[in-house]
This record gives sequence, C-alpha cells and structure tokens, in this order.
Amino acid sequence: KAGVTQTPRYLIKTRGQQVTLSCSPISGHRSVSWYQQTPGQGLQFLFEYFSETQRNKGNFPGRFSGRQFSNSRSEMNVSTLELGDSALYLCASSEQNNEQFFGPGTRLTVL
Amino acid sequence: GEDVEQSLFLSVREGDSSVINCTYTDSSSTYLYWYKQEPGAGLQLLTYIFSNMDMKQDQRLTVLLNKKDKHLSLRIADTQTGDSAIYFCAESIGGKSTFGDGTTLTVKP
Repeated sequence: KAGVTQTPRYLIKTRGQQVTLSCSPISGHRSVSWYQQTPGQGLQFLFEYFSETQRNKGNFPGRFSGRQFSNSRSEMNVSTLELGDSALYLCASSEQNNEQFFGPGTRLTVL
Repeated sequence: GEDVEQSLFLSVREGDSSVINCTYTDSSSTYLYWYKQEPGAGLQLLTYIFSNMDMKQDQRLTVLLNKKDKHLSLRIADTQTGDSAIYFCAESIGGKSTFGDGTTLTVKP
C-alpha cells in the first residue's frame, strides 16, 4: 500500500495570508489526525477526522480548521497566518483506533 | 489531562544497547508508540505496544511496559550510527496521540 502523502511539502506564506494543506491517508484508513511540530512546543495535536466528522480537537484557535472528504482525504486550513504558525504540519492515518502512520509533513514558513 | 515525559538526551557507543525511557499519565491509553525522526523528516513508526501487553520484541527493538508505574521503555540492541535520531514516545486514545518532547540519541563510533 502507498503511505500517507502530504502536499505541498514546503510552503512559504506571509503574515495575514491563509493556507490549505492536504493529506491523503493510506487506502482503507478512515481516520486522519493533524499535528503541529515546532521546536518550542514539540508535537501538538490539532484535530482528528473520522468518516468526514471531526471526532477530536486540540487546543488551537479557530483560525485552524479542517475537513475530511468522502474518500478520507483531509485538508487543513489556517487563516490569518501569524509568524508563530511556522511549523512542520504532520498528518497521520489509521484504520480506526489503532496504530497511526505519519506522512512526511508540510513545512510551512510564515514571513 | 494527558502528559508524556522523556529524558531529552542519550549518548551511547556504537555496539552498545540504548535504553530510552518514557512516563505517561493517562491509564486509559490504548496504544503506546515509539517513533523515530531524522533531521528534516516526518515521523517513522518504529514499534508500538497495546496497553494490555508487558513486552514486545521486534528484531533489535524491545519495548517494556509497566502499566502500574505508567512507564514505557525502548531498548535498541547493538546500536548503530544510523540509529542517531530523535525518538518520540506517544500515548494514544482513539485518534489522538500525545507525544513526549523526544529523546535525542547520539551514537558515537
């Protein structure tokens, strides 16, 4: 099976812009979770989608949102970008409540 | 809430065993994971253990789980220079994983 894919791999934006990141899970996996990784805060959970519904949510402001499509692909959107949003955004897929497999991440730089 | 702690650094000589330790707080965790991250890369799932197991061995990797003390360890036998990386412990409940800050393993030749 192909692994989790994320696009784009690298992105540069300026403050105030918005960005959409995409994640395609492993075929057959219905759960997609998103994480933010920064040097200062480590790996932090953003949200999880299962069968097109947000099932879990972390402690991030409303500028961070996501959605999942019927084919389980997921997108994450960040509006009104701030410098502190610069991070590696990782998505992970799993079949249901078992082991998570991570994608390579999208490196977002906000200038 | 959930919290996962691990020591930040470990340095070993090539050929020695490495033991990375982790403590977690949520006793309802279903899975406990070990991930490896190399510079500029995503997370590579190394191994995991289901919460009702005590031990799992997978080639050079041995995971020990002490559920009473909420303590998890990863032992890497015959550590090689290619094992140098950051190792993350994570506990998982449903689709949400909580990670430690990572242990940087340095393997000296």
